[in-house]
Amino acid sequence: GAVVSQHPSRVICKSGTSVKIECRSLDFQATTMFWYRQFPKQSLMLMATSNEGSKATYEQGVEKDKFLINHASLTLSTLTVTSAHPEDSSFYICSARVARHQETQYFGPGTRLLVL
Amino acid sequence: GQQLNQSPQSMFIQEGEDVSMNCTSSSIFNTWLWYKQDPGEGPVLLIALYKAGELTSNGRLTAQFGITRKDSFLNISASIPSDVGIYFCAGYSGAGSYQLTFGKGTKLSVIP
Repeated sequence: GAVVSQHPSRVICKSGTSVKIECRSLDFQATTMFWYRQFPKQSLMLMATSNEGSKATYEQGVEKDKFLINHASLTLSTLTVTSAHPEDSSFYICSARVARHQETQYFGPGTRLLVL
Repeated sequence: GQQLNQSPQSMFIQEGEDVSMNCTSSSIFNTWLWYKQDPGEGPVLLIALYKAGELTSNGRLTAQFGITRKDSFLNISASIPSDVGIYFCAGYSGAGSYQLTFGKGTKLSVIP
């Protein structure tokens, strides 16, 4: 199967700082990656679709200036939470689209963000 | 927007019992995916289904793509303690979108 990694796995930061989360596809190229947010005991909520070489597409209600996404290569997408506040504390998960001949998405292990 | 209704929301079963969960949709899907998520981890793909009527197994797991293309089920046979977790169904409707629509998950607890 396809392997997706995320770094860091968890991060604690002070309110007002920015945090960068990396998502890498390790053994395949991903033209499309997705960023999700998950609150406790809830399903995954799509934040944005990240396309290599172009601007990300954000879901309604997600601030693009708050959650900066960069997909500079076919194996790396980054999510930067700018000026983080306690309400940004959550579990952030990325996924990568694999479209060899059938659509599949593989998920990273997630990043736990705690903003103090 | 599209929604997936996943049931049951949670279930407690004895070790060794079989488990069944399902997802239904008001619209047609071209692909059904079943994931398992352990606490603090990302979802792991269990089974992918691409054709209406398709029945696919992965060890003790079996999933089917409904003939109407609006539903799918996942069965787990002879459950073991490590089956504990949250199971999500997800689907692609096609139409040029690569976004997955997720069910709300089924939390499985296995009593040894």
